[in-house]
Amino acid sequence: KQEVTQIPAALSVPEGENLVLNCSFTDSAIYNLQWFRQDPGKGLTSLLLIQSSQREQTSGRLNASLDKSSGRSTLYIAASQPGDSATYLCAVSGRSYGGSQGNLIFGKGTKLSVKP
Amino acid sequence: DGGITQSPKYLFRKEGQNVTLSCEQNLNHDAMYWYRQDPGQGLRLIYYSQIVNDFQKGDIAEGYSVSREKKESFPLTVTSAQKNPTAFYLCASSRPGSFMNTEAFFGQGTRLTVV
Repeated sequence: KQEVTQIPAALSVPEGENLVLNCSFTDSAIYNLQWFRQDPGKGLTSLLLIQSSQREQTSGRLNASLDKSSGRSTLYIAASQPGDSATYLCAVSGRSYGGSQGNLIFGKGTKLSVKP
Repeated sequence: DGGITQSPKYLFRKEGQNVTLSCEQNLNHDAMYWYRQDPGQGLRLIYYSQIVNDFQKGDIAEGYSVSREKKESFPLTVTSAQKNPTAFYLCASSRPGSFMNTEAFFGQGTRLTVV
């Protein structure tokens, strides 16, 4: 059964710092991995999608890497800003997780706080 | 603007009552999904539909029902059989028919509270 773990559960950094969020998964047979951002009481905003054949994706100050063989992904945020404060979720898709083909399996998220 | 619209934003349910959460998308996506989010837990899949007039149970389907009569719409009914319905409900969509190499998009959620 696929399990997704995100460490740390919470992170507080001063503005301007570069930071890394971690995501690990137990079954390497994934189709893709997606990073999301969630603001309090809001839905999920897709940040980056990495297909299983890719090693990394970049969007602005965000860079996500994928090492499928070791079951790890990192989300790198450069020059953090107070507006980056949110919960960051990673999710993997794969074949028939829990009987649901194409189901996204989510980690519990990392709550990031960037202090001005 | 293209996107996914969930309504209402807040919903209150009395004991023994059925309530329906709305999800509409104008992204022309084939697949639609309902997830439930509880504090301290990850998102869990309730139901999904890969095509009109077809849907499948997810990991926690008991006490819920859905329909998919139109491509744009995937309403979720929380029935009285769901014993602990208080949660944040999220609707998602993707193309062409599964999450394989496609990006998932989410609505803004509906917070359901039992009173």
